[in-house]
Amino acid sequence: NAGVMQNPRHLVRRRGQEARLRCSPMKGHSHVYWYRQLPEEGLKFMVYLQKENIIDESGMPKERFSAEFPKEGPSILRIQQVVRGDSAAYFCASSPPTVQETQYFGPGTRLLVL
Amino acid sequence: GENVEQHPSTLSVQEGDSAVIKCTYSDSASNYFPWYKQELGKRPQLIIDIRSNVGEKKDQRIAVTLNKTAKHFSLHITETQPEDSAVYFCAASTNSGYALNFGKGTSLLVTP
Repeated sequence: NAGVMQNPRHLVRRRGQEARLRCSPMKGHSHVYWYRQLPEEGLKFMVYLQKENIIDESGMPKERFSAEFPKEGPSILRIQQVVRGDSAAYFCASSPPTVQETQYFGPGTRLLVL
Repeated sequence: GENVEQHPSTLSVQEGDSAVIKCTYSDSASNYFPWYKQELGKRPQLIIDIRSNVGEKKDQRIAVTLNKTAKHFSLHITETQPEDSAVYFCAASTNSGYALNFGKGTSLLVTP
């Protein structure tokens, strides 16, 4: 049973470009969460999604950030017009439908904005 | 937002000694408290968790205690080994029931 998959593992973007981060949950998991980790910091919740629904986006910046989890395919975190402050590790986690708090993390995408 | 405070930020112990990491939380609605271990450049791995209806839970060399009245919980690692060296994060569920609030992490170094 493959774990949570994320790609790319590393992403370099110039200021003003777009970043697209992908997450495939564990098999049988229908809940996806995105977290951001700044250097030497804990993880900060961004958004919680189920298939085709955003359940809670209270941690998402109001502008430039969006997330989706379509019926088919991975969940995508999209950052438009990236700025240097967006440089961070972005982790996706998934949980089974019956135990939502128990979250298993992917390997993360390390975004560097030049 | 609600906070999770974690102490100490760094901890160095000798192999074989015990290590204790403490966390406090402020959201009285929190009822789930996981601990994650993160090695350099790798994903956070769930190592143990506890729910609010339980005061203590143990899994081999790792134990977690919870004092809901005082709103604090602790991770105890006994007979530490060099491979226990990593950053450990505590977390608490939020009143939404699913998002987790994380502490800032404890960097544990176990020296041979």
